[in-house]
Amino acid sequence: QSALTQPASVSGSPGQSITISCTGTSSDVGTYNFVSWYQQHPGKAPKLMIYEVTNRPSGISDRFSGSKSGNTAYLTISGLQAEDEAHYYCSSFTTSRTHVFGGGTKVTVL
Amino acid sequence: QVQLVESGGGVVQPGRSLRLSCAASGLMFSDFGMHWVRQPPGKGLEWVAIISYDGKNIYYADSVKGRFTISRDNSKNTLYLQLNSLRTEDTAIYYCANGIAAAATPGYWGQGTLVTVSA
Repeated sequence: QSALTQPASVSGSPGQSITISCTGTSSDVGTYNFVSWYQQHPGKAPKLMIYEVTNRPSGISDRFSGSKSGNTAYLTISGLQAEDEAHYYCSSFTTSRTHVFGGGTKVTVL
Repeated sequence: QVQLVESGGGVVQPGRSLRLSCAASGLMFSDFGMHWVRQPPGKGLEWVAIISYDGKNIYYADSVKGRFTISRDNSKNTLYLQLNSLRTEDTAIYYCANGIAAAATPGYWGQGTLVTVSA
């Protein structure tokens, strides 16, 4: 159950687009379209932003979008805003019927 | 609205036990699989365990298998996590979350309860 691999940090200016990668294996990301993304602000609980690779829960801005290619999933934030500054975590269902998270990416809005 | 409220955290010595609870409201608790996820202070998220809606299917992370036990009481809308043989590396905020969609993805999360394992 090794953690999924994410870049430690990504930054962008307001209005720009950024993309966060999440690399797993054929035992998780590569086998299932069950990748999700979470946003976490300091001192707060994680918030689901994307599930099943591309689906947004009700109330989540369409500036957030997800995709996947092979063993790597991606979260793209378009029209970056100050309130998007947070940690982002990916997660995947696994062939062992467990779940696994990535190490997290800190997004900084310059 | 959905509310998940964790309780039972505290300071405990290595080797001792603790039981966490997660009280659910605003959802049909018995329809959802439920997760525990933890986060050591200043670090990332670690998935801990999942229990199916009826309690019949349970899976654990390798790091807690044999020491932690997840359970639920649908009559009380409450999820539990029994933590035994605690280690210093179990120090973390413990969150409960309901599972949504096909793979029971952790959906809505509670605010967490802090467990500190220290001599």
